[in-house]
Amino acid sequence: AQSVTQLDSQVPVFEEAPVELRCNYSSSVSVYLFWYVQYPNQGLQLLLKYLSGSTLVKGINGFEAEFNKSQTSFHLRKPSVHISDTAEYFCAAPSGAGGTSYGKLTFGQGTILTVHP
Amino acid sequence: DADVTQTPRNRITKTGKRIMLECSQTKGHDRMYWYRQDPGLGLRLIYYSFDVKDINKGEISDGYSVSRQAQAKFSLSLESAIPNQTALYFCATSDGKGAWYNEQFFGPGTRLTVL
Repeated sequence: AQSVTQLDSQVPVFEEAPVELRCNYSSSVSVYLFWYVQYPNQGLQLLLKYLSGSTLVKGINGFEAEFNKSQTSFHLRKPSVHISDTAEYFCAAPSGAGGTSYGKLTFGQGTILTVHP
Repeated sequence: DADVTQTPRNRITKTGKRIMLECSQTKGHDRMYWYRQDPGLGLRLIYYSFDVKDINKGEISDGYSVSRQAQAKFSLSLESAIPNQTALYFCATSDGKGAWYNEQFFGPGTRLTVL
């Protein structure tokens, strides 16, 4: 089964600065990874996903993530953040191994990104 | 209208009371999930259902039960609420046809406080 660890519980940044939210995974089988975002008082929505192919994945709202197999990481980045990016971000991976995961996800602990003016 | 709705959005109750949280979806998905969110712990799976006749325990099912009344409805019950069940609860759905890693779609959440 895969597990994910988000290395920072809170990340404060100023508007227009770059940001990186870190996620490490552990898996001995095929890797599938996701980033979800939760805006204040809302449910989660998919930001981007890595299934296979290119290790650089582009998502919504200018975010991207890079899958790094050697470092078992899937860090989320944005070159210039806006106030509206203030939210909690979750890294996630299927709970089981490959096709036997039955669509279940394991979530990281979450990283609260706060963008200051 | 929202594709995944949850009722109520907020609920305050007392220890020992029975509580039901309801989830409805108009996405036509066969898979439905209940999660709880606690600060610093992320989301943890309580129960999941892949169709009306299939219900499975997640990682933290103790103290909870569920009912899948129809493909579109999935309810979570706390038979006798206790304070450590105070949390934000999310319902989610996904399309089980095709790839097993299909995106999950979340409701807006129910904030439950048990006094």
